[in-house]
Amino acid sequence: GENVEQHPSTLSVQEGDSAVIKCTYSDSASNYFPWYKQELGKRPQLIIDIRSNVGEKKDQRIAVTLNKTAKHFSLHITETQPEDSAVYFCAAFEGGNYQLIWGAGTKLIIKP
Amino acid sequence: DVKVTQSSRYLVKRTGEKVFLECVQDMDHENMFWYRQDPGLGLRLIYFSYDVKMKEKGDIPEGYSVSREKKERFSLILESASTNQTSMYLCASSDPDRKQYFGPGTRLTVT
Repeated sequence: GENVEQHPSTLSVQEGDSAVIKCTYSDSASNYFPWYKQELGKRPQLIIDIRSNVGEKKDQRIAVTLNKTAKHFSLHITETQPEDSAVYFCAAFEGGNYQLIWGAGTKLIIKP
Repeated sequence: DVKVTQSSRYLVKRTGEKVFLECVQDMDHENMFWYRQDPGLGLRLIYFSYDVKMKEKGDIPEGYSVSREKKERFSLILESASTNQTSMYLCASSDPDRKQYFGPGTRLTVT
């Protein structure tokens, strides 16, 4: 089955700098890759997603890139702000089982 | 806006009690999920359901069961609660585009 690895587990960046979180997946048949943000004490919320027929997608300060050949995808956050502090989860859709396979999460800390 | 609600935000139960956690979604989604979230372990899938009365085991089903009698409602049952089931429980439903929407979570403490 699918396996998703996420790195780093903790990322600390200066406010205003960029942050990059990377995930790799194992099943070449996976075709949907969402990213979720979970603020402290709150539920995970979808912030951006990408499908396998697209290489990059942007939404204001966040972007996701997908490299199907290498089977990895990344979340890029530019001009980081204090409200970006959260845990970020990547996931890959394992089509045969209806379920998302989740990465372990990255705690992003924005230093003032 | 998709709304997923869970019956309790906080719950304290004693070892051996039967515990019911309920989840309701209002968007007619076919797929619903129960996750457990523990520090450092991410989101672990307990059970999911892709239709009424249908269920599939996730990664950690031991000690849990589920019920889906109506499309909008998915219940998680702890038959005999144990202290190692103290955790945050998150329910989710997904739309036809596979986007998952989470409930607010139930923090369960078993003493």
